[in-house]
Amino acid sequence: GAGVSQTPSNKVTEKGKYVELRCDPISGHTALYWYRQSLGQGPEFLIYFQGTGAADDSGLPNDRFFAVRPEGSVSTLKIQRTERGDSAVYLCASSPRQGWPYGYTFGSGTRLTVV
Amino acid sequence: TQLLEQSPQFLSIQEGENLTVYCNSSSVFSSLQWYRQEPGEGPVLLVTVVTGGEVKKLKRLTFQFGDARKDSSLHITAAQPGDTGLYLCAALYGQNFVFGPGTRLSVLP
Repeated sequence: GAGVSQTPSNKVTEKGKYVELRCDPISGHTALYWYRQSLGQGPEFLIYFQGTGAADDSGLPNDRFFAVRPEGSVSTLKIQRTERGDSAVYLCASSPRQGWPYGYTFGSGTRLTVV
Repeated sequence: TQLLEQSPQFLSIQEGENLTVYCNSSSVFSSLQWYRQEPGEGPVLLVTVVTGGEVKKLKRLTFQFGDARKDSSLHITAAQPGDTGLYLCAALYGQNFVFGPGTRLSVLP
């Protein structure tokens, strides 16, 4: 596609529920990144994929968070047993390749609210 | 401890004024970007600088990368209300970009 697409744009869920957030990167971009942005903060790295594999998942806060990219394009970020502290904007970005030095193209994000 | 620090945290100015915001680190980076983020949107890339001492201009915006590649500045001339937003710097750290906390700029008409 022309840009990075994220769905849904907003998600409200109850504490303890499971949620999935979807990212559709720019066509042909092999590197895909997930970031989380809390109110008033800069984006914090969660995980990145080069192709189908998670090349670095060191930013995932705990084992309730998991992400997949089975065919090397669309990625899904999955959060189990959601907690109120998970409320944030989840941003997805893509770049032509791993280690691309010229910056990312971001989607508009999914605003997750856990009540 | 933040890898990148940005100052000021907040800035509110009148239309037509000039301003400079800063991004600092104790680490050396091979690549540094500036992004602008508006409410409800993802960050949008403004510029990439890769060479120490490099200066880039984008209309009324001037970006400078420090000689030692540890810091950068963004100067806006004759600010307009459309410049309002969160200005983020980001640096390549390993294989990923690390972001600063941002400077929230408000330009009042």
